[in-house]
Amino acid sequence: DQQVKQNSPSLSVQEGRISILNCDYTNSMFDYFLWYKKYPAEGPTFLISISSIKDKNEDGRFTVFLNKSAKHLSLHIVPSQPGDSAVYFCAAPGSGNTGKLIFGQGTTLQVKP
Amino acid sequence: GAGVSQSPSNKVTEKGKDVELRCDPISGHTALYWYRQSLGQGLEFLIYFQGNSAPDKSGLPSDRFSAERTGGSVSTLTIQRTQQEDSAVYLCASSPVGGTYNEQFFGPGTRLTVL
Repeated sequence: DQQVKQNSPSLSVQEGRISILNCDYTNSMFDYFLWYKKYPAEGPTFLISISSIKDKNEDGRFTVFLNKSAKHLSLHIVPSQPGDSAVYFCAAPGSGNTGKLIFGQGTTLQVKP
Repeated sequence: GAGVSQSPSNKVTEKGKDVELRCDPISGHTALYWYRQSLGQGLEFLIYFQGNSAPDKSGLPSDRFSAERTGGSVSTLTIQRTQQEDSAVYLCASSPVGGTYNEQFFGPGTRLTVL
């Protein structure tokens, strides 16, 4: 049972435009969500998070929106830059408060110059 | 400072052989996690260490998989009698402490190919 889903395997946008990456989840008990970014041959790095008590969190060019009723979150990158080309994973904490994360399948973003 | 390191970076083995994957977490981080990423999939949790103890082993796929951590530092993931479905990138992450709201720092991973 895939509790965190990223249904778009890939996304291509032009430099300077907005990138929107989507993520859906099934477990209404999730109260915290994270986005990680991964370059080839490197480990994922933390990008931005959001608590379920908020519906928006912004950090520079990156904004995450949370729609709890739809069990949906999205990551907006504005403006997109070629260096943003990477795989983006959304994640939520698993049970037990150990910190283990449940990841989506990832979306590969390509930003064209 | 040094990040999380993993060795080897690549491992090719024959079906049925045992393999050991190593993780060196960031110094002082008490929490350590192993994940794996199979082709086209997201990261899948395997095991969590707090210090040298593993209070959550729920993600280990079978009894062929085991892990240990010594000195609250280095961890080794062992896969016995490897199968082709074990082929994946195995990622290690560490965190200053365990728990939901603490950032995890990932190593570059070990790409395991079972022929």
